Order: sequence, then structure tokens, then C-alpha cells
Amino acid sequence: DAGVIQSPRHEVTEMGQEVTLRCKPISGHDYLFWYRQTMMRGLELLIYFNNNVPIDDSGMPEDRFSAKMPNASFSTLKIQPSEPRDSAVYFCASTWDSTDTQYFGPGTRLTVL
Amino acid sequence: QQPVQSPQAVILREGEDAVINCSSSKALYSVHWYRQKHGEAPVFLMILLKGGEQKGHEKISASFNEKKQQSSLYLTASQLSYSGTYFCGTGPKLVANAGKSTFGDGTTLTVKP
Repeated sequence: DAGVIQSPRHEVTEMGQEVTLRCKPISGHDYLFWYRQTMMRGLELLIYFNNNVPIDDSGMPEDRFSAKMPNASFSTLKIQPSEPRDSAVYFCASTWDSTDTQYFGPGTRLTVL
Repeated sequence: QQPVQSPQAVILREGEDAVINCSSSKALYSVHWYRQKHGEAPVFLMILLKGGEQKGHEKISASFNEKKQQSSLYLTASQLSYSGTYFCGTGPKLVANAGKSTFGDGTTLTVKP
């Protein structure tokens, strides 16, 4: 299996623009997680899905952030409008079971100017 | 209310042992441990779900003391490959009264030849 795939790997955008990050989980995994990591805030769990349904979005920072999982093989994290403080590395992870090993994607490094 | 990790950094020689502690001021329902190397995605090490539960992964094991609201990660006979930053996290919200998932600031482990 190719592992968790994220795109793009790097994104540079200007403040106010819409940003969409994409994730393809490992086939057969029922759980998908979105994380954000910065030097200032460390690692944060933003939201996670089970069978394409959002289960806990308490980590989503504000209404500018939204995440969807239209099917078992694709998820998006959208920021609209983006702000410089959104600059971070965004990771997606997936697993078979909430208590099992999570497999992380390589991350998307987002820079908002 | 994020977990507090100690020590912040530790330097070892190959073959030495280390313990990383993770303490929470609120009730823990689960504890997750991750290792991250610079510039890479986190790697999920293990999850502990029950008080007193101990798990092992090669020469890396962990314990979870639910009453004390703390977990410890044990690295024995350390190898160069163990170098990295270790994070503990409270895990995704799996039960209704569990709080938002949070992570410690990390412990940087350096293993020298």
C-alpha cells in the first residue's frame, strides 16, 4: 500500500485566499485524523472521522476551518479565508480502529503570507 | 490543560536507558505516545487505555497510572534510531465526557554513539 497520501506537500498562499488540503487514507481504514503542528502551539488534533462521519471537531480552531470526508478514500481540510497564523504543517493520519496504530501522511507545509 | 512532559530533553549513550514522563491535571481516558524525527511526520508508538496497563514495542514500553493521571515511556538499551522528539497525547475523544485531545510539548531524546 502507498500509505497515507497528502497533497500538496507545500503550499504558499496570501492572506485571505482559500486553501484546500487533501488526504487519501490507507484503503480499509475507517478512521481519519487531521493534525496541525507549529512551533508555538505544538501538535494539535483538529478533527477526526469515523466511516466518513465527523466524530469530534473540538480541535478545529475557528469557523474559517472546515473538513469533509465525502467518501472513504478522500478528505479535505479547507481554510477560508487563510491568515498568517494558519501557517503550519498539517498532517493527516488513518487507522482501522480508534485504539490502533495511526499511520501518518508526510504532511502539508502551509505558509500564509 | 495540556499534559506536562519531563524531562524536556535528555542525552544518552547507546545502550543506556531513559524514562519520559507525562502528567495531566485532568482525568485521562487514554494516553498516546509518538516519536517524531526532525522534518518528518510523527510515528505512532502505542496507546494505553486502562489504568495500570503496560504495553511494549521492541525495547520501548509504557505504563499508565490512571489514579495519578500520568504515563511513563521506557526506552531500554537505547539505539541511535531512538533519537527524536517524543510526544504524549491524551488521544482523540472516545467517550462523551473526555476532554479535547491535547499533546505535551515533547521530550527531545538524543542518543550518541
